[in-house]
Amino acid sequence: QVQLQESGPGLVKPSETLSLTCTVSGGSIRNDYWSWIRQPPGKGLEWIGFVSYTGNTNYSPSLESRVTMSVDTSKNQFSLQLTSVTAADTAVYYCARGGASSKYFDAWGQGTLVTVFS
Amino acid sequence: DIVMTQSPESLAVSLGERATINCKSSQSVLYSPTKRNYLAWYQQKPGQPPKLFIYWASTRESGVPDRFSGSGSGTDFTLTISSLQAEDVAVYYCQQYYTTRPTFGQGTKLEIK
Repeated sequence: QVQLQESGPGLVKPSETLSLTCTVSGGSIRNDYWSWIRQPPGKGLEWIGFVSYTGNTNYSPSLESRVTMSVDTSKNQFSLQLTSVTAADTAVYYCARGGASSKYFDAWGQGTLVTVFS
Repeated sequence: DIVMTQSPESLAVSLGERATINCKSSQSVLYSPTKRNYLAWYQQKPGQPPKLFIYWASTRESGVPDRFSGSGSGTDFTLTISSLQAEDVAVYYCQQYYTTRPTFGQGTKLEIK
């Protein structure tokens, strides 16, 4: 059974770049789509975007000017970069399998809280 | 983007009673050639990631108790818990995956009355 684990700094300063990595174990990152989803404290879920194992990406319109996702098949990892962060970007960030059309999210990481704080 | 709207926002039900959560999409998520509704339901407990419970609107994920059922088609969907158990207390989200930009409902918080 595939497992996902997020890693990265828990604190980011305003205007800087948030960088997270998701490591996939128990299965290959190939042949699937991989998403980042976030959840501000006490609020609902927001899909950020997905990356395929070939590097194809699709981002939420509200974030696409600040988001970059990439994949490293040799390490079975995919990554998120979010630039110019503000307090509004404080959230639990989840990585998940799925996100492309016709693909629900059937595996999730535990999530990592990223706080934007000066 | 397709907007997903859940109702109610919160719900309190007695143990053993039926709980019903509704989800409405701003456009149909039924793909006619396959007759499939691109609609999923997730359960999220405090401090945990969401867990896939139902996909294709009515197919239970492996391990999900059969007291959970999903129904509906097109733009209107329902998650039903036939007999509420204490462990079902959680927030439930619907999500469409009809488009390449998936969207979630705002969540329904289910509590024990």
